Amino acid sequence: AQTVTQSQPEMSVQEAETVTLSCTYDTSESDYYLFWYKQPPSRQMILVIRQEAYKQQNATENRFSVNFQKAAKSFSLKISDSQLGDAAMYFCAYRMYSGGGADGLTFGKGTHLIIQP
Amino acid sequence: DTGVSQDPRHKITKRGQNVTFRCDPISEHNRLYWYRQTLGQGPEFLTYFQNEAQLEKSRLLSDRFSAERPKGSFSTLEIQRTEQGDSAMYLCASSLAASGPYNEQFFGPGTRLTVL
Repeated sequence: AQTVTQSQPEMSVQEAETVTLSCTYDTSESDYYLFWYKQPPSRQMILVIRQEAYKQQNATENRFSVNFQKAAKSFSLKISDSQLGDAAMYFCAYRMYSGGGADGLTFGKGTHLIIQP
Repeated sequence: DTGVSQDPRHKITKRGQNVTFRCDPISEHNRLYWYRQTLGQGPEFLTYFQNEAQLEKSRLLSDRFSAERPKGSFSTLEIQRTEQGDSAMYLCASSLAASGPYNEQFFGPGTRLTVL
């Protein structure tokens, strides 16, 4: 079974600074997807960024970027120029590549990100 | 509003009662998922549908849980004989399988269940 581990229950960063959230995973599959989701307080979860395992290039979405190390099974999220609106729970998630029979996401326990003004 | 909606948003019940939650996906989405999120944890996958067919069920989905999607649109999740351990946020998500292997899942706001 696949597992996702987020070792940082809580992180704090000054506004406008850069922060990196860690995620490791365990799988025997070679093709899969990795995701970072954001869950603001009392609001629904939204997708921040995704990475296909077969792509060597790290994904980037505006201020959000990932460092994907397939051999190390590591998938960290870097948030640049942190803003107050970035405060939320961040979840790392995994999904197998073949969507036909196993389409559910496997999530980590989350990292609570605090932005200090 | 074209997002995923869930009803009710909050439900308080007594142990042993049955509860039913509803999820309305984004209208053109053919896949619908249920997750459970307990306090301090990430969401855990329960089950998913493609149209009316329930294609995958987690071992977390005990015999007291049943999910349906009778017409391939909205879905219901029923919990029979609720237990205090069922207290959690129940999240629904939907996706469009035809959008490719990636098929992003869009989440609803969740139903928070409290079992007294």
